[in-house]
Amino acid sequence: QVQLQESGPGLVKPSQTLSLICTVSGGSITTDNYYWSWIRQPAGKGLEWIGRIYISGTTNRNPSLKSRVTLSMDTSKNQFSLQLTSVTAADTALYYCAGTLYGDNRIESWGRGTLVTVSS
Amino acid sequence: SSELTQSPSVSVSPGQTARITCSGDALSIQYTHWFQQKPGQAPILVIYKDTERPSGIPERFSGSSSGTTVTLTISGVQAEDEADYYCQSEDSDGNSVLFGGGTKLTV
Repeated sequence: QVQLQESGPGLVKPSQTLSLICTVSGGSITTDNYYWSWIRQPAGKGLEWIGRIYISGTTNRNPSLKSRVTLSMDTSKNQFSLQLTSVTAADTALYYCAGTLYGDNRIESWGRGTLVTVSS
Repeated sequence: SSELTQSPSVSVSPGQTARITCSGDALSIQYTHWFQQKPGQAPILVIYKDTERPSGIPERFSGSSSGTTVTLTISGVQAEDEADYYCQSEDSDGNSVLFGGGTKLTV
């Protein structure tokens, strides 16, 4: 299994853009075996899928967040990233990156998560 | 449909059997996977493709599926099984990943 590590600012101001990077080790993000996904979890609440990107460039995004989410990959750095625009306090959450197996779509590997707080 | 429904909580005594269900229209055509999450930890896959158990997961964890409902069964529950459990699947088009709201298992 691959290992994943999220990185990015822990504090973002309202109306600004949240940007996170996930660094993958133990495997290449150019593999066609995985989707690369983002999932978040507000404190004390359940898991919410944000979106995923495939090596072909295909992306799928949660319809409720679609207009604010951009997903991208940097194959030279073995990283993928999330941008969430126009954030509000409701976007405060623990953000996970994950590797999802192409085919049966099980989330096989998770990062440890990074807490992002939206506050002025 | 774009929702997966789980009961909020299940409570059992040690040694008993816990059953956690997940319902959704797409489950009749899409695989369902189950995750265990303990406080402060990332989720761990305990069942995939409805009934398969990853290596390292105890045999007391099993999964089943019937129509639009899937069930995670934990036989001979132990105190260490106390956690939140989430089902995960996709919508009928395969374009969106869905999570159930989670079930808190109290032992």
